[in-house]
Amino acid sequence: AQSVTQPDIHITVSEGASLELRCNYSYGATPYLFWYVQSPGQGLQLLLKYFSGDTLVQGIKGFEAEFKRSQSSFNLRKPSVHWSDAAEYFCAVGAAGGSEKLVFGKGTKLTVNP
Amino acid sequence: DTEVTQTPKHLVMGMTNKKSLKCEQHMGHRAMYWYKQKAKKPPELMFVYSYEKLSINESVPSRFSPECPNSSLLNLHLHALQPEDSALYLCASSQDGTGVGNTIYFGEGSWLTVV
Repeated sequence: AQSVTQPDIHITVSEGASLELRCNYSYGATPYLFWYVQSPGQGLQLLLKYFSGDTLVQGIKGFEAEFKRSQSSFNLRKPSVHWSDAAEYFCAVGAAGGSEKLVFGKGTKLTVNP
Repeated sequence: DTEVTQTPKHLVMGMTNKKSLKCEQHMGHRAMYWYKQKAKKPPELMFVYSYEKLSINESVPSRFSPECPNSSLLNLHLHALQPEDSALYLCASSQDGTGVGNTIYFGEGSWLTVV
């Protein structure tokens, strides 16, 4: 079964600084990887996804993520954070081969200081 | 258009009430999901409908009863809930239920408070 670890529970950055949120997964085959963002009181919005191909994927709101198979990682990055990026970020892994279950990490809360 | 619409956005119900949460999508998706999310936790899968048939029930108590009237609609009927059932209930959908390369799209959620 697949699993996801987000090592950082809470990260604080200053507005305009760069951001990297870590995600490590465990899965025996090619994973399908996702990053979702959840603003307070809201549902989950898909930021980006990786299924295959280019290991650097671009998403919405200026985010990107890089799939590194050797490190079992799928870290999310943004070169310059905006105050509106403050939210909870969830990494998730979906299994191939017929599973409908998406396994989420515990989330990383991002605080942005002015 | 990747929109999943949930109603109501907020619901307060007593422990003896019967209420329903509703979800609708018009993306032609054939798989629909209910997730439960407690504060400061990730979403937890409750039910999956694939081609209008219940395909996954994650051992959810019977006081939660899902229904999929057609491929665009998903309901969650609530009866005799407990205060600990208070949470954000998220509906989601994906193209089909195979999970292969599927992206799951979420609604804004329904906040449920049981008093």
